[in-house]
Amino acid sequence: QVPLQESGPGRVEPSETLSLTCTVSGYSISDNFYWGWIRQPPGKGLEWIGSIYHDGTTYYNPSLKSRVAISIDTSKNHFSLKLTSVTAADTALYYCARDRPHCFGDTCYRGHDVFDIWGRGTVVTVSS
Amino acid sequence: QSALTQAASVSGSPGQSITISCTGTSSDVGGYNFVSWYQQHPGQAPKLIIYDVSNRPSGVSNRFSGSKSGNTASLTISGLQGDDEADYYCSSYTNSHRSGVFGTGTKVTVL
Repeated sequence: QVPLQESGPGRVEPSETLSLTCTVSGYSISDNFYWGWIRQPPGKGLEWIGSIYHDGTTYYNPSLKSRVAISIDTSKNHFSLKLTSVTAADTALYYCARDRPHCFGDTCYRGHDVFDIWGRGTVVTVSS
Repeated sequence: QSALTQAASVSGSPGQSITISCTGTSSDVGGYNFVSWYQQHPGQAPKLIIYDVSNRPSGVSNRFSGSKSGNTASLTISGLQGDDEADYYCSSYTNSHRSGVFGTGTKVTVL
């Protein structure tokens, strides 16, 4: 089974809302990890969108913060992404990933730089 | 927020060593030992190969090593092999927005 699997529409119309879900298998979403979304426009680099902890606390890329909402459903072991008012610039390959904190003994710090398990990604195209 | 700066491309011959740099600021790379590196082959998801500046996840070849000096982190690939041809991205925590940021990416070509 694939540990992380993205799902959602492959096409979204401009100005509408992009919605994706990441189903986690083989791991509990309630473990001491964050769960993140990363995207990659065609031919370009990676961009961190945001991450969520199992208690629902969210952390977002400041450049997207006004349009992004990440939620989590521990009963279904999945987390979701919503991106509003999309434009062609939001066309990208969207990945979900496990976001591992930096732990030293019993103390952990969030860094949002260690993504140790990734989904295969799903392409979302913004077009009418 | 600004992406960390990487050279667009680096090349080397099989068996050689190459180094990829990732330059940030004192708010990110220079301020924390929270720097990671990823390898991405075409059509595949990125793979974590270095975390906490110089630590390798289990199963990653010891030909990959990481270091940091000031605001610049580096990834060295020794004994370059054909399968090392890929895109490489650094990432870091940044306290300017208490968030994460990726580098611009470096394409490694094995000659």
